[in-house]
Parts: sequence; structure tokens; C-alpha cells
Amino acid sequence: GAGVSQSPSNKVTEKGKDVELRCDPISGHTALYWYRQSLGQGLEFLIYFQGNSAPDKSGLPSDRFSAERTGGSVSTLTIQRTQQEDSAVYLCASSLASAGGWETQYFGPGTRLLVL
Amino acid sequence: GEDVEQSLFLSVREGDSSVINCTYTDSSSTYLYWYKQEPGAGLQLLTYIFSNMDMKQDQRLTVLLNKKDKHLSLRIADTQTGDSAIYFCAESDNNAGNMLTFGGGTRLMVKP
Repeated sequence: GAGVSQSPSNKVTEKGKDVELRCDPISGHTALYWYRQSLGQGLEFLIYFQGNSAPDKSGLPSDRFSAERTGGSVSTLTIQRTQQEDSAVYLCASSLASAGGWETQYFGPGTRLLVL
Repeated sequence: GEDVEQSLFLSVREGDSSVINCTYTDSSSTYLYWYKQEPGAGLQLLTYIFSNMDMKQDQRLTVLLNKKDKHLSLRIADTQTGDSAIYFCAESDNNAGNMLTFGGGTRLMVKP
């Protein structure tokens, strides 16, 4: 079956511009996570959506970052007024989530963002 | 906050065993994981261990967990050149959203 997909695979933008990154989770997965992987910070959690609950935004580095998940499926991560330090690979993962249980997080291939 | 530490680099010869080590600080970790990332590719879950276990074996992979010392290791038997990759240790707290906290990754180089 189809895995987690992300688009675009690569994005080059100018400092100060806004960007939108898209994640299509595995069908039926109720939990969706955004992470980013950068040279300086390694792999770090950004935001987590679970069903219809309010997202956990505790990992977002600044108020320039926001994310939404429409209809419990596709998610968009938006970075406003991009800065060079936002350059990173943005990874999306999804999983099933059952009450008190654990499910594997499946990762997408990532979007490589370069801010010039 | 939680912290996960790994050594940066490991080099082994083909056919030898590789042991990649990881330490973590979160005493409420529920699960601990090993992910593999090949160049230009996404993260692939290799194996995981529940925090109340001390060992798990899966074909060439053996995971050892010392919960008292908060130490996790991944042993790869009969290491092959195709095992060359970056290996990430990660932990999650099932009672806190299950988001992953990753180590910095260990680059494994397998020499023929």
C-alpha cells in the first residue's frame, strides 16, 4: 500500500518568503507528526496531531511556524517569513493510535528546504 | 527535557559485528527504537523495545536495554556493506503523545 508522501521533495526559497509543505499520511492513520532534521539541531519534533484533539505544538521553534490538518488526513506545515536557519529536511510521520497503545510511526521521504 | 546521546561514528569490517550505543535520560520512556537512514532516504524503523524488556532479537539485530543505567544498544551481526547508514536511537513516552526524541545519529561505515 501507499506510504506517507510529502511534497514538494525539494524547495528553494528566498529569505522572507512563506512556504507550505504538504504531508499525506497513510490512509486510516489518526496520528500525524512533523519533525525536522537539520545539521545543527539533529532530528527534532515539531508538532503532533491526534484525531480531533488540539495539536501538540510544543516543538514549534517560533510563531512563524504553523500547521494544520484538514479532515483528519492531509497536513500542511507553513513557515512564514523564512530565515536561513529554517533550512532543513522536514519529515512527516503517521501512525495508528489506539487508547493506551503504541503504533509504529512511518516516515515520509521528507521535504528538503533551502532558504537563500 | 529529555536527552538522547549517541556516539557519532563507527567503522567495522564486513562480516564483523557492530555495536551502536545510546544513552537516554527520560525515566518515563515507554518505548525505545532504532531507526536507519540511508543517504538521501527517509527514516526506516529497524526495531524497537518496550521499556520493561531487557533484550529483543530480530534476525541479525539484537537490542539490549539496561533500564537502570538508561543504556540501549543495537548489535548487528555479520555486518554487510549494505548496513552502512546512519542509525538513530529514539525514545517515546506513550503517555505524552508518543512523539519521538532522537539521538544525534551514529554513522556506521562498513569496510569490505
